[in-house]
Amino acid sequence: QLVLTQSPSASASLGASVKLTCILSSGHSSYAIAWHQQQPEKGPRYLMKLNSDGSHSKGDGIPDRFSGSSSGAERYLTISSLQSEDEADYYCQTWGTGMVFGGGTKLTVL
Amino acid sequence: EVQLVESGGGLVQPGGSLRLSCAASEFTFSSYWMHWVRQAPGRGLVWVSRINSDGSITAYADSVKGRFTISRDNAKNTLYLQMNSLRAEDTAVYYCARAYYPDYWGQGTLVTVSS
Repeated sequence: QLVLTQSPSASASLGASVKLTCILSSGHSSYAIAWHQQQPEKGPRYLMKLNSDGSHSKGDGIPDRFSGSSSGAERYLTISSLQSEDEADYYCQTWGTGMVFGGGTKLTVL
Repeated sequence: EVQLVESGGGLVQPGGSLRLSCAASEFTFSSYWMHWVRQAPGRGLVWVSRINSDGSITAYADSVKGRFTISRDNAKNTLYLQMNSLRAEDTAVYYCARAYYPDYWGQGTLVTVSS
């Protein structure tokens, strides 16, 4: 069964960098994923599609501070030069029989 | 700029029906797959349904199969979700989203199922 696993929470200081992780379940390490950001009380926002080789294509207007990388079954979202508006929930998403989401990581900017 | 605007949410009793709409603008609506995704209060995102660009192929999450129907009117640039036999557990904000890996999302419409 295809499952995406994310840590429930993460925190980092203003101006620092943070790396969020999404882990694909066994047998699905070649899958591409997408990262989405959801700020409080807002709809989700597409950040990027991330392939298994680490190549990625970002959404319109997504700053260079957001980047993606991959290693095996792990997909990463790195946010550098953290700003207060980066405090949000981050979801990874892929496709199985239907669209599959990770549980989300709540990022706190200290 | 691409816009997706949901409407039609509200309070409905268990067993009732509701029809959600998603008005699309500033892109060629008829060229894209579209989705409905929901989010229960305080919970994560859950996929509900998808439809291909011409409306000929649909798919549903098991939790809504047989109760919800997705459709689209490409002439009106509008996506729909007909929700029947609603249950308390269908209470959520419902988002429409564009494309296979959703690259644009609406702001959502709240559906509350309660007596």
